[in-house]
Amino acid sequence: SQQGEEDPQALSIQEGENATMNCSYKTSINNLQWYRQNSGRGLVHLILIRSNEREKHSGRLRVTLDTSKKSSSLLITASRAADTASYFCASRPSGTYKYIFGTGTRLKVLA
Amino acid sequence: NAGVTQTPKFQVLKTGQSMTLQCAQDMNHEYMSWYRQDPGMGLRLIHYSVGAGITDQGEVPNGYNVSRSTTEDFPLRLLSAAPSQTSVYFCASSYSIGDRGSTEAFFGQGTRLTVV
Repeated sequence: SQQGEEDPQALSIQEGENATMNCSYKTSINNLQWYRQNSGRGLVHLILIRSNEREKHSGRLRVTLDTSKKSSSLLITASRAADTASYFCASRPSGTYKYIFGTGTRLKVLA
Repeated sequence: NAGVTQTPKFQVLKTGQSMTLQCAQDMNHEYMSWYRQDPGMGLRLIHYSVGAGITDQGEVPNGYNVSRSTTEDFPLRLLSAAPSQTSVYFCASSYSIGDRGSTEAFFGQGTRLTVV
């Protein structure tokens, strides 16, 4: 399978805490994106990071990319109950027009 | 501007039946794709298209056909439904995915398919 992997599979934290989730992929990539999925709904784009970038910020989100380790991490700071969702990374292997999704991290933020 | 529209939202099929899942976008996006989502498996790419008249296989293409006769529409056909095709199907589109740069994907709300 080409699927990327994410860990942890599930994460439960208190409101106000930070949440970190990790994504690993298998081949060299052009870029990597993070998406959020609320239960039973479609995916919503969060952030895109290109292979020549190491870190990117968007509001309370911080994404890092380590191409030497073929991994990325998503940090959500000062989490809120509304952040409760599943989070997926999607990597685009170099030279392809495909996006390969990770298996996802289920985040639960307790009020 | 409706974004990505998938129909139907729910469908129950008997084994061996065929059907078409519809996907339409009104954003003039070049790139469209179909995924299936199964519990614990994340999203897996079925087929994708980089423009009208051009389609290619993803990770799990067997049992599915696609065509892209217009920029707006990208239907997914199940040829002979099997219980293993019970899943939630998502269509997505993005403005570009070329070497000049990729842009975010917009997802439809999904079609929940059950094959009995």
